[in-house]
Amino acid sequence: QVQLQESGPGLVKPSETLSLTCNVSARSINPYYWSWVRQPPGKGLEWIGYVYYRGSTKYNFSLKSRVTISMDKSQRQLSLKLTSVAAADTAVYYCARGVGTLVPTTYDIWGQGTMVTVSS
Amino acid sequence: QSVLTQPPSASGTPGQTVTISCSGSNSNIGDNTVSWFQQLPGTAPTLLIYSDNQRPSGVPDRFSASKSGTSASLAISGLQSEDEADYFCATWDDSLNGFYVFGTGTKVTVL
Repeated sequence: QVQLQESGPGLVKPSETLSLTCNVSARSINPYYWSWVRQPPGKGLEWIGYVYYRGSTKYNFSLKSRVTISMDKSQRQLSLKLTSVAAADTAVYYCARGVGTLVPTTYDIWGQGTMVTVSS
Repeated sequence: QSVLTQPPSASGTPGQTVTISCSGSNSNIGDNTVSWFQQLPGTAPTLLIYSDNQRPSGVPDRFSASKSGTSASLAISGLQSEDEADYFCATWDDSLNGFYVFGTGTKVTVL
């Protein structure tokens, strides 16, 4: 049973960097797209990006200049860094496992999510 | 702003069938497979449908989906109180160097 568990600070100050991790309890990280998705309070889902098990990354064009997603394969730990945060980055952040060949075509496993509030 | 448009709400009484639409374009639904996710109140999304119309194991056959051109739809037959949730369509979009996109979401209420 694959499980994903997000963790990180629940409060981040404006202009600082948001850093989250996601522990992946799975025998293998292959051949998946390990991704982050966020959801502002009362709003819809927004795809942030992924790191493919082979190491390549792709980000949402609207966040590309501020986001870094990486994977520590030995620790099976997925990471998200989002710089220069503002109130609009307040959201529940989910890690998710993407399935697909050339691109992720669906997300079959999701973490429970972690709420991050950007406020001074 | 999502490029996949869903009606904000839908409702039905127990036992009825509710259908949710998802409208996109050639760069997303028209060229890639569609998934549907269910989000119960206060919980993470869960996969309901993948590859346009396939149900993961454990998903009741009351949930069915289809796709035609640049639109997709999800049908919930035999509506039950536990189906009250938010539903999101999603797919890959080939524009802007590629990105995964979710629909605007539909809140289903069981009357």
